[in-house]
Amino acid sequence: NAGVTQTPKFRVLKTGQSMTLLCAQDMNHEYMYWYRQDPGMGLRLIHYSVGEGTTAKGEVPDGYNVSRLKKQNFLLGLESAAPSQTSVYFCASIQGLAVTGELFFGEGSRLTVL
Amino acid sequence: GDSVTQMEGPVTLSEEAFLTINCTYTATGYPSLFWYVQYPGEGLQLLLKATKADDKGSNKGFEATYRKETTSFHLEKGSVQVSDSAVYFCALSDYFGNEKLTFGTGTRLTIIP
Repeated sequence: NAGVTQTPKFRVLKTGQSMTLLCAQDMNHEYMYWYRQDPGMGLRLIHYSVGEGTTAKGEVPDGYNVSRLKKQNFLLGLESAAPSQTSVYFCASIQGLAVTGELFFGEGSRLTVL
Repeated sequence: GDSVTQMEGPVTLSEEAFLTINCTYTATGYPSLFWYVQYPGEGLQLLLKATKADDKGSNKGFEATYRKETTSFHLEKGSVQVSDSAVYFCALSDYFGNEKLTFGTGTRLTIIP
């Protein structure tokens, strides 16, 4: 049971380039999330999904797009990367509501934008 | 909106010392409260939780009590070990907007032998 898997784990981009982070979970979870982690700011929610085919904005959605075409996958896209998007990105999933359950996290994807 | 405030780190303690990491929250509804832990190079994992006032969550020797009157959920451990070195995050999820989790900024804990 792999849990939550993120690819790639490391990436360096130049300003203006585009890329996609893939999150895959094998636990049949309904809810999936993308967070970014920055020093002194903790985890901030970028986008999330409450089920296949749905997406919603979180706290810091600007500059990112997401898609949930399959229940097990949640993609995070950067269309035109900026240095401010240098961060560690975490995907998470949960079976039920966050108010009672446990989020399962991937190991993170470190992105550097030059 | 909902928010979580944690004590600023980093925190450095000697092995077997007593640990307290403070956490206070602001919520519009009836939140559940969580502590997540992040070991070096890993994602976060749930350490403990409490879903209503006066509940005590506990795991691996850590404890936290949900105090509605002081809007707090402080993390404690009586005797820390080197293996407890990690970043600890306090978080809440409100029954209104209950599909999301709001995190604090995290507290880095280092235990020295």
